Amino acid sequence: EDQVTQSPEALRLQEGESSSLNCSYTVSGLRGLFWYRQDPGKGPEFLFTLYSAGEEKEKERLKATLTKKESFLHITAPKPEDSATYLCAVQAARSNTGKLIFGQGTTLQVKP
Amino acid sequence: DTEVTQTPKHLVMGMTNKKSLKCEQHMGHRAMYWYKQKAKKPPELMFVYSYEKLSINESVPSRFSPECPNSSLLNLHLHALQPEDSALYLCASSPLAGPRTDTQYFGPGTRLTVL
Repeated sequence: EDQVTQSPEALRLQEGESSSLNCSYTVSGLRGLFWYRQDPGKGPEFLFTLYSAGEEKEKERLKATLTKKESFLHITAPKPEDSATYLCAVQAARSNTGKLIFGQGTTLQVKP
Repeated sequence: DTEVTQTPKHLVMGMTNKKSLKCEQHMGHRAMYWYKQKAKKPPELMFVYSYEKLSINESVPSRFSPECPNSSLLNLHLHALQPEDSALYLCASSPLAGPRTDTQYFGPGTRLTVL
């Protein structure tokens, strides 16, 4: 069964304290892995798409990496405005419909 | 521009009411999606439209009825809902649905409360 597990469930950081969020996945052939940021009561905001092991993408303080079993979202010198829930999702190669399989999310709180 | 719009932002309805949620995108995307999200849970897929045709119904109760009038619009008609249907309803779109990896872009959501 295709599955995505995110850890930790919640993370509290001081402003400037770098850390990483983990997304472990089990899927019968990965077509793509997606990272989203979601603020309370709002829709998920797209961050990155990763396609193959070894791929990395960066945007401001965020960097996403991908291996054959997991993805990491590295947050460098976070600011309070980075506080949000970060969602990881995968798309299976056999999917004919674009269905995303989501993890439960990691809620990040950055204190000033 | 990667904008998906949804109206209304908030909706309160009784169990006997009929209401509709609306979603619109002007990015030329040919796949559109409805998701339901409960508090502190990830989004759950409800329906997928590909080229204006329904391609997935994730065993959603018939009190939810989707409609895709054209390639830019997606509606979700609601009738005889239950209080447990209260949730954030999200619309998303992607360039295509099918044997390709296409990023889905989400709208801001409609917060639905069923009394």
